[in-house]
Amino acid sequence: QSALTQPASVSGSPGQSITISCTGTSRDVGGYNYVSWYQQHPGKAPKLMIYDVSNRPSGVSNRFSGSKSGNTASLTISGLQAEDEADYYCSSYTSSSTLVVFGGGTKLTVL
Amino acid sequence: EVQLVESGGGLIQPGGSLRLSCAASGFTVSSNYISWVRQAPGKGLEWVSIIYSAGSTYYADSVKGRFTISRDDSKNTLYLQMNSLRAEDTAVYYCARGLVGTTYYFDYWGQGTLVTVSS
Repeated sequence: QSALTQPASVSGSPGQSITISCTGTSRDVGGYNYVSWYQQHPGKAPKLMIYDVSNRPSGVSNRFSGSKSGNTASLTISGLQAEDEADYYCSSYTSSSTLVVFGGGTKLTVL
Repeated sequence: EVQLVESGGGLIQPGGSLRLSCAASGFTVSSNYISWVRQAPGKGLEWVSIIYSAGSTYYADSVKGRFTISRDDSKNTLYLQMNSLRAEDTAVYYCARGLVGTTYYFDYWGQGTLVTVSS
């Protein structure tokens, strides 16, 4: 069981917006602004999409945005495109003995 | 260009040991933090270990006491020594460089090396 909880799957049509949630506790998501999101296409290495809750690394489309409220972080993808179809993982710093935790991942299907 | 190339994976019996390597280019390992992240077949990502530029290291509870992260600055290479391997350690192991100016995020990843623990 992953430390952070994500929905197993979400879907949306091209051009629509979707949001993926990531629920943790006050020891991780809720207690610190050290939340990140990764995109992973099949057979490929993960790609950093969001860090520090809402910052985008250089080169990442502004269609991707992040936010946080309490113990839940969210990734929103607007203007869905076919190439957005992938697995998405949230991650957070944790004050527990394990430094970094990941969510179980969410499979995004673009209909 | 930043590149990370993992090697050392393979088939190993339960209880055995294996050392993974991650050869870095395009940046200096000693000036960055680098992590190992693994992914069991068909499963999600699991953070394993990290080493910071100052040399401090941290481990996931699941590998603490069995795995050791280290680096050779002269070879610009990161290592993961894995002892007392278990079936649940079977995974693709990625090394990943930390995003400059931060402490918990990874912006460059290798292609991964598969470790299979089975008799």
